[in-house]
Amino acid sequence: DQQVKQNSPSLSVQEGRISILNCDYTNSMFDYFLWYKKYPAEGPTFLISISSIKDKNEDGRFTVFLNKSAKHLSLHIVPSQPGDSAVYFCAASAREGAQKLVFGQGTRLTINP
Amino acid sequence: GAGVSQSPSNKVTEKGKDVELRCDPISGHTALYWYRQSLGQGLEFLIYFQGNSAPDKSGLPSDRFSAERTGGSVSTLTIQRTQQEDSAVYLCASSFRFGGRDEQFFGPGTRLTVL
Repeated sequence: DQQVKQNSPSLSVQEGRISILNCDYTNSMFDYFLWYKKYPAEGPTFLISISSIKDKNEDGRFTVFLNKSAKHLSLHIVPSQPGDSAVYFCAASAREGAQKLVFGQGTRLTINP
Repeated sequence: GAGVSQSPSNKVTEKGKDVELRCDPISGHTALYWYRQSLGQGLEFLIYFQGNSAPDKSGLPSDRFSAERTGGSVSTLTIQRTQQEDSAVYLCASSFRFGGRDEQFFGPGTRLTVL
């Protein structure tokens, strides 16, 4: 069973516009959520995180929103830049076993000039 | 400083052979993790080591998979009698502390192909 789902395998956005990547989860024990970015032939790199006590966390062009009642989170990138083209993974962890991250399948974001 | 390194970057093997994948974590990081990413899937947790405690092996898919961490640093993931479904990218990560929500730093991965 897929506890973390990213239902859009790919997304294409014009440079300068907003990119919105979505993620849904099923396990109500998850209390910490992360976004990782991955370029080809490289390992994923941490982008931004959010604790379940918050509903928004912002870092520069990146904002993560958490809707606990809907078990949904999203990553907003604005403005989108060509260097943002990568695969984005949503991940979650529970307080019990916090070290074990559960990842979604990833969304490939392409920023068009 | 150097990041997490993994070797080899690519490994092609025949079904039934054993393989060893190596991970060198960031110096000073006490926690080390192994994940794998099969085609079209997200990263799947396999095992983690934290300090001198017993590793959490709960994600290992079968008893053909094992891992060890020598001297609290380098780790080796061994897959015995490889099967075609073992083909995946195997990723190693390390973090500064065990417990808590410290950022996990990932290596570039080893792409394993079982023919």
